Amino acid sequence: NAGVTQTPKFRVLKTGQSMTLLCAQDMNHEYMYWYRQDPGMGLRLIHYSVGEGTTAKGEVPDGYNVSRLKKQNFLLGLESAAPSQTSVYFCASNNRGAQETQYFGPGTRLLVL
Amino acid sequence: SQQGEEDPQALSIQEGENATMNCSYKTSINNLQWYRQNSGRGLVHLILIRSNEREKDSGRLRVTLDTSKKSSSLLITASRAADTASYFCAGGDWNNDMRFGAGTRLTVKP
Repeated sequence: NAGVTQTPKFRVLKTGQSMTLLCAQDMNHEYMYWYRQDPGMGLRLIHYSVGEGTTAKGEVPDGYNVSRLKKQNFLLGLESAAPSQTSVYFCASNNRGAQETQYFGPGTRLLVL
Repeated sequence: SQQGEEDPQALSIQEGENATMNCSYKTSINNLQWYRQNSGRGLVHLILIRSNEREKDSGRLRVTLDTSKKSSSLLITASRAADTASYFCAGGDWNNDMRFGAGTRLTVKP
């Protein structure tokens, strides 16, 4: 099992560019999450999904969109990147939301110039 | 707002010593989770303690939970250089909301 994988590992964008981060899990998990981690801070939840075709806002959703067209994939989109979105993005998944362990991907480092 | 807040922010000890990290949270929780993050990597789950539990062990780890004080502690016994990492707590509620603290950076010197 690969667990949770994220693509790409690292990306540099210019302000105003768009991109999509891909998260894939092979554990048949219902729930998937996108977090961002800024230096010296914990993870903050951007969006999450409780099943295929569903999405919901987390703590810091502005500037991001998500889609869950397939159960195993959760996409995070930045329509018009801003320097404030420079961060490390982590995807996670599990089957029972905040009542259970989350399994994390290795992260995507994004730099917006 | 952060559900989990760790203390201290940084801790440096010698190999073989014990390390204790504390976590406080603000609202009612279903469980309290501890994760480890090595530099540049994703978070790895260490231990989950439910709100009706007071203490839980896993290998060299011991977690306590005091719901009356809204606090938890993580004890790592007989620390090793490989334990050097950042440690995060996160309180999980019943509404899919899990909030992480800023973490404790542990350095174990060989």
